[in-house]
Amino acid sequence: GAGVSQSPSNKVTEKGKDVELRCDPISGHTALYWYRQSLGQGLEFLIYFQGNSAPDKSGLPSDRFSAERTGGSVSTLTIQRTQQEDSAVYLCASSPDRFNEKLFFGSGTQLSVL
Amino acid sequence: GENVEQHPSTLSVQEGDSAVIKCTYSDSASNYFPWYKQELGKRPQLIIDIRSNVGEKKDQRIAVTLNKTAKHFSLHITETQPEDSAVYFCAARGSGWGKFQFGAGTQVVVTP
Repeated sequence: GAGVSQSPSNKVTEKGKDVELRCDPISGHTALYWYRQSLGQGLEFLIYFQGNSAPDKSGLPSDRFSAERTGGSVSTLTIQRTQQEDSAVYLCASSPDRFNEKLFFGSGTQLSVL
Repeated sequence: GENVEQHPSTLSVQEGDSAVIKCTYSDSASNYFPWYKQELGKRPQLIIDIRSNVGEKKDQRIAVTLNKTAKHFSLHITETQPEDSAVYFCAARGSGWGKFQFGAGTQVVVTP
């Protein structure tokens, strides 16, 4: 079946602009995660959605970052007033539920802020 | 919150030798420890995981050990092959669901 899909695959933007990154999880997966991967670094937790529960936003680095998940499926990560330090690969992952924790990652969005 | 440290950052081994990657975690409430493999230009994929009620788990050439007292866990790859070349990430999930903390990764290079 289809895996986790992310779009766009690449995004180049100017400092100060807003960007939206999209994630389509695997159908039926109730858990959805956003991570950020900077060059040569590990994966930095950003936010976690589980079903209809309130999301865990504790990893969002600043109030310029926000995310929503509509209808328990598609998620959008929005970065306002982008800064150069926001440049990274943004990875989305989904898992079947909170008990089956195998993460299925998307291919990521490479964000470059000039 | 949870903090995961991973060593070494790079590891070069001869084909057929073993490779060991070690991670330590800070949150004693962490109870789930997966390992992900990321090949160049590809997405991370789960290769093995272990829960806190188990001390060791093996799957063919890979194994993971967990020492809860010392709060560290390790990945062991035996009889390494060139296709094992990748970046390996350890992770720990604390008592709260969903919030995985990842290590910084280990670049493994297997030379023929």
